[in-house]
Amino acid sequence: SQQGEEDPQALSIQEGENATMNCSYKTSINNLQWYRQNSGRGLVHLILIRSNEREKHSGRLRVTLDTSKKSSSLLITASRAADTASYFCATDGGETTDSWGKFQFGAGTQVVVTP
Amino acid sequence: NAGVTQTPKFQVLKTGQSMTLQCAQDMNHEYMSWYRQDPGMGLRLIHYSVGAGITDQGEVPNGYNVSRSTTEDFPLRLLSAAPSQTSVYFCASSYSGAFYGYTFGSGTRLTVV
Repeated sequence: SQQGEEDPQALSIQEGENATMNCSYKTSINNLQWYRQNSGRGLVHLILIRSNEREKHSGRLRVTLDTSKKSSSLLITASRAADTASYFCATDGGETTDSWGKFQFGAGTQVVVTP
Repeated sequence: NAGVTQTPKFQVLKTGQSMTLQCAQDMNHEYMSWYRQDPGMGLRLIHYSVGAGITDQGEVPNGYNVSRSTTEDFPLRLLSAAPSQTSVYFCASSYSGAFYGYTFGSGTRLTVV
């Protein structure tokens, strides 16, 4: 079974708007990561947030993590047509160090940004 | 740096055939993983390695074997291909999977007929 689940499954917005997507997971984690995948390409790492962090920024990206609710959100501000892609969250197991780095992915959120 | 290199990019196999998907990285990363991606299901972890000589199973290991004899290479072997193994396969590596992101290869699109 998948550890992380993204919501919504699809999102359509116009350039300049903000895009927010959420990720829920089931077990404790060491860290959570967000990735982007353009159609037909490999995944690109966007940002990593550790279990003891609550918020992280990288350029136009803002990630939050709420370990009490087992959820994370990714906000893309001032979206551009080039942000059109699928976005995935990935979580590892946090119970033991053996599972650190062993990531499970959700099914992703498809984001379409129209000019 | 080439990053993570996967070969071949496309492959068609007949049911029952075996083959090896190659993955190589030149970043001296210890962690390497194999995933398969099917429509609507995201990525599922097949096998995982934290260093040369050390491998572990992921969510969907059946029908696949791996070995890690060097830091650079992490080949994935399909023992007897089945139509259910039709998928896109991604290899990924990380300096330390616990605290760093993964670098992904461009994928191998496999069709089993």
